[in-house]
Amino acid sequence: EAQVTQNPRYLITVTGKKLTVTCSQNMNHEYMSWYRQDPGLGLRQIYYSMNVEVTDKGDVPEGYKVSRKEKRNFPLILESPSPNQTSLYFCASSPRDRFSPHNGYTFGSGTRLTVV
Amino acid sequence: AQKVTQAQTEISVVEKEDVTLDCVYETRDTTYYLFWYKQPPSGELVFLIRRNSFDEQNEISGRYSWNFQKSTSSFNFTITASQVVDSAVYFCALSEHEDSSYKLIFGSGTRLLVRP
Repeated sequence: EAQVTQNPRYLITVTGKKLTVTCSQNMNHEYMSWYRQDPGLGLRQIYYSMNVEVTDKGDVPEGYKVSRKEKRNFPLILESPSPNQTSLYFCASSPRDRFSPHNGYTFGSGTRLTVV
Repeated sequence: AQKVTQAQTEISVVEKEDVTLDCVYETRDTTYYLFWYKQPPSGELVFLIRRNSFDEQNEISGRYSWNFQKSTSSFNFTITASQVVDSAVYFCALSEHEDSSYKLIFGSGTRLLVRP
């Protein structure tokens, strides 16, 4: 089944303790992206990646890092989480050409992160 | 600047009523793409429809229909004969053709509650 898999689904952590949210897709998509969802704000893009070793900042990158060492994986790293990073996170992927990303993405099931 | 506005924060209807969710967008791009996503209580994002800016035909899919009007920059979503299973948060989103980040710009969402 074509899908984007995020882990974990739920995570409660303490301020300052480094964590990684994994994202993997099995569709051979070149483009991957991370979003965070907050009440009243919809979803906002954190980082995106056009291909292996090619990443760039989205609209709200502060406090986050990403890496793209393999095509299928795009982990989101919080080096020193803070309470304002408590949110629902979504990973998404799309085939990359001039038009395909605009066909919409396949989203993962989401990771609900709480930082206390 | 690009923006998506969903002015209705929450709508409550009784089952079998028709309901329309409003979406107004702003963009300077002449080519763009509009989307609707459904987020049920389980949290995942479910793709409903994609429309490009050159296609103003309205679309119907079962009980769902979409009204795209470029003149008013609106892309409204109507559910006919609503059902309890339609209860969810619905997001309207915009993607601009010239945006090299290929990001989706989401509205803040409309929470629909369908009561039995």
